[in-house]
Amino acid sequence: SAVISQKPSRDICQRGTSLTIQCQVDSQVTMMFWYRQQPGQSLTLIATANQGSEATYESGFVIDKFPISRPNLTFSTLTVSNMSPEDSSIYLCSVLKRDEQYFGPGTRLTVT
Amino acid sequence: ILNVEQSPQSLHVQEGDSTNFTCSFPSSNFYALHWYRWETAKSPEALFVMTLNGDEKKKGRISATLNTKEGYSYLYIKGSQPEDSATYLCAFGSNDYKLSFGAGTTVTVRA
Repeated sequence: SAVISQKPSRDICQRGTSLTIQCQVDSQVTMMFWYRQQPGQSLTLIATANQGSEATYESGFVIDKFPISRPNLTFSTLTVSNMSPEDSSIYLCSVLKRDEQYFGPGTRLTVT
Repeated sequence: ILNVEQSPQSLHVQEGDSTNFTCSFPSSNFYALHWYRWETAKSPEALFVMTLNGDEKKKGRISATLNTKEGYSYLYIKGSQPEDSATYLCAFGSNDYKLSFGAGTTVTVRA
C-alpha cells in the first residue's frame, strides 16, 4: 500500500488568487494522478504526473489553469490558478502501486 | 468520457440487514473495475480490483461480483454495521491506469 498526505487539508480562498496543493507519498512511485470532485459530481481526473516528464492533462483541463510539478518520485504539487467559485472542489492526489491506486485524504477548497 | 453509473444514489439500511448496489459501465474495451469506500474527511480506501468476467471478491462482510459482458458489478454488504456507513465508489480502469468514477452510492446504517 501507500501512505499519502496532502497539504493543506482545506482552505478558503478569494477569487482571482492561486492555491498550491502538495502531495507527499511514503515511497517512490512512478505514476501520480490529480483528481477533483466538484459538489454533487463524480471524481474526475485532471492530469497524470510522471516524474521526469510533463504532466498530461485530460480534456477540459489546461496547464495554465492547473500547473503541476513532479520534482521527484515522492512529491507533486497542483496549483489552482486564478480561482473562481467553480473551482470549489475536493482535490485528491493518487499514486499507482502494483496496479492499484491509493488516494490522499483530499484538499477541500472553497472559493469565495 | 466514459459513462459509469451507480444506483441507487443513496440508501438507508438497518443495522444487521444486508444490502447491495450496482455499478454499470461500458462493456467494450474492459480492463479493470475498482471499488472504493470513502468516508468523510478520509482517503478513499481501495476495496477491490476486478479484472475477469465472473470474478467474485470478498473482504470481511463486503463482497463484489463482476459481469464484463453485460457491463455491471454488484457490491454486497452482509449484516451491515454502523461503521459501514460511507460512500462506495466504483471506477472503470483503463489500460493506462486512468480511472473513470461513478457518482457513488452513499450508505447510511441505522443502529
